[in-house]
Amino acid sequence: IQMTQSPSSLSASEGDRVTVTCRASQTISTYLNWYQQKPGKAPKVLIYGVSSLQSGVPSRFSGSGSGTDFTLTINNLQPEDFATYYCQQTYSTPFTFGPGTKVDIK
Amino acid sequence: EVQLVESGGDLVQPGGSLRLSCAVSGFTFSRYWMHWVRQVPGKGLVWVSRIKNDGSSPSYADSVEGRFTISRDNAKNTLYLQMNSLKVEDTAVYYCARATYSSGWYMSDYWGQGTLVTVSS
Repeated sequence: IQMTQSPSSLSASEGDRVTVTCRASQTISTYLNWYQQKPGKAPKVLIYGVSSLQSGVPSRFSGSGSGTDFTLTINNLQPEDFATYYCQQTYSTPFTFGPGTKVDIK
Repeated sequence: EVQLVESGGDLVQPGGSLRLSCAVSGFTFSRYWMHWVRQVPGKGLVWVSRIKNDGSSPSYADSVEGRFTISRDNAKNTLYLQMNSLKVEDTAVYYCARATYSSGWYMSDYWGQGTLVTVSS
């Protein structure tokens, strides 16, 4: 299963609403996770099962979608949200990641 | 506190072998599936392999199938990745990650800090 993300990068300002899109090459039902990664750090899971927020993750992060098309939304972008975001399907092995979306400061 | 600590990364020549280890603590290792994920510095995440909690059903990315072997020792709380016939394109930071099952879905909720494997002559 191939995963694509768009855009590959975006520039935004603090307080903005940001949307990242992830598309699977075939249906993956709701087996879709989102990770955040900052430079030099390991990834951190934000959302699993399309829309379930991982414990401790701020509620400004949300996810939606099903089948092949999915969205990560960040409301009221905060300075600590500037990072790279990856989707990953866990519908079937290999559990492929998307290529990432880098969110940087405008 | 949950901790995953990778080790074993090194500089190795093409065609060589290396074994990575991931020592875990702070949770009951034998209850969790585990993954290896790699990342070329500056590039994206690539899933490499998965093993179930009892050591069964290993699964691999096509790019490493037949060359890499995932295993675990639940008595030693340690995950391994045996890497043979290494290629230049295997150069990456290798992360181990715990797979947690929640409400019907798997996610990697804890990750190690990564260990760098460099394949070069």
